[in-house]
Amino acid sequence: DVKVTQSSRYLVKRTGEKVFLECVQDMDHENMFWYRQDPGLGLRLIYFSYDVKMKEKGDIPEGYSVSREKKERFSLILESASTNQTSMYLCASSLVAEAFFGQGTRLTVV
Amino acid sequence: GENVEQHPSTLSVQEGDSAVIKCTYSDSASNYFPWYKQELGKRPQLIIDIRSNVGEKKDQRIAVTLNKTAKHFSLHITETQPEDSAVYFCAAEHSSASKIIFGSGTRLSIRP
Repeated sequence: DVKVTQSSRYLVKRTGEKVFLECVQDMDHENMFWYRQDPGLGLRLIYFSYDVKMKEKGDIPEGYSVSREKKERFSLILESASTNQTSMYLCASSLVAEAFFGQGTRLTVV
Repeated sequence: GENVEQHPSTLSVQEGDSAVIKCTYSDSASNYFPWYKQELGKRPQLIIDIRSNVGEKKDQRIAVTLNKTAKHFSLHITETQPEDSAVYFCAAEHSSASKIIFGSGTRLSIRP
């Protein structure tokens, strides 16, 4: 059974803080993704990675960076959090086709 | 860039009736089209998928159709039940690009 675990379920951070969202998968998947989910906008791809140390920008990468130092871990970094980054963040991993999602992190920036 | 459009954004149907959700995609190289269901407060989960070499696929009350020429695909739910109430996302994936692009979601409500 694939498990994708995000480090926090809820986070509250202050504007300007550096924020780390961690995601770990236990199925040796090559591909990992970070999405943000906002009402009426669906799931928007921020960044994805198809291998260790490899990363590709998604549709909305501005204000974010990522790190994939190990195959099982994909981190999303908000260099300087802003209020418009308040959202639900979902991590996912896949091998060939089906994506498996983490439980989500609801981030509030105040 | 690649884009997936999904309609409608909300859908309300009477229990027992059918529901149809439609998606179009822009990247003709996309070859895998999954559908995810997200129940309130839960993570999205795959419910059915279709590959570009197939025109239709059924699994009990749900079916997907794909028109490669028109670059659109649809989810059909028949004999809807209260537990079908959820947000549904379509997606398109270009396997060699390893990238999954989601539609904006459809909130389906089943009226008793």
